[in-house]
Amino acid sequence: EEQLVESGGALVQSGGSLRLSCAAFGFMFSKSGMYWVRQAPGKGLEWFSYISPGSGTMYYADSVKGRFTSSRDNAKNSLYLQMNSLRAEDTAVYYCARVRGATVYISYMDLWGKGTTVTVSS
Amino acid sequence: QSVLTQPPSVSAAPGQKVTISCSGSSSNIGNNYVSWYQQFPATAPKLLIYDNDKRPSGIPDRFSGSKSGTSATLDITGLQSGDEADFYCGTWDSSLSSYVFASGTRVAVL
Repeated sequence: EEQLVESGGALVQSGGSLRLSCAAFGFMFSKSGMYWVRQAPGKGLEWFSYISPGSGTMYYADSVKGRFTSSRDNAKNSLYLQMNSLRAEDTAVYYCARVRGATVYISYMDLWGKGTTVTVSS
Repeated sequence: QSVLTQPPSVSAAPGQKVTISCSGSSSNIGNNYVSWYQQFPATAPKLLIYDNDKRPSGIPDRFSGSKSGTSATLDITGLQSGDEADFYCGTWDSSLSSYVFASGTRVAVL
């Protein structure tokens, strides 16, 4: 069964760091671009990162640029998110999602993990 | 403030039809593909429509998508109580080099 499983969410102090993981099962992870999407409590979905299958292309939303870094280990079928300089407004459920479509311009997310919760205390 | 605009909520009686609009610009909807996602409380979003108007396997044909110019639409016909959820449109924005979601629409079945 195709599946994405996030982990690593925690309560962390403002200014701190955290590393999230997303494990992929049941599909060719090495051929899939991946998105990170988050959802603050009671708010809508916010995309913030893309990483291409070979890690050669990455995009970040301005809200996390310079603080968050996506990476992947295709040999381990895993995606990572290093989050530094965390702020209260980073408090959210963090989802990883598989990207479909030949380019980002026609991309969509067809497989989502269940999410992991990050809480940043001020 | 998203670059895509959806109504906050729509509602209709069971069996009726609702239409959710998603308005953007030439840098996003106008030149890229739109997808739609359904989200129930405390669960992950699920893909409903991709490439403007295509349904993934398992999505009922009561859900349909379309795009015209810089706007997209999701129609839900034969509304059921189980359709109550939040719906989001999304697309790539070429100017921002970012994927963007609208703020979401809550569907209520009266």
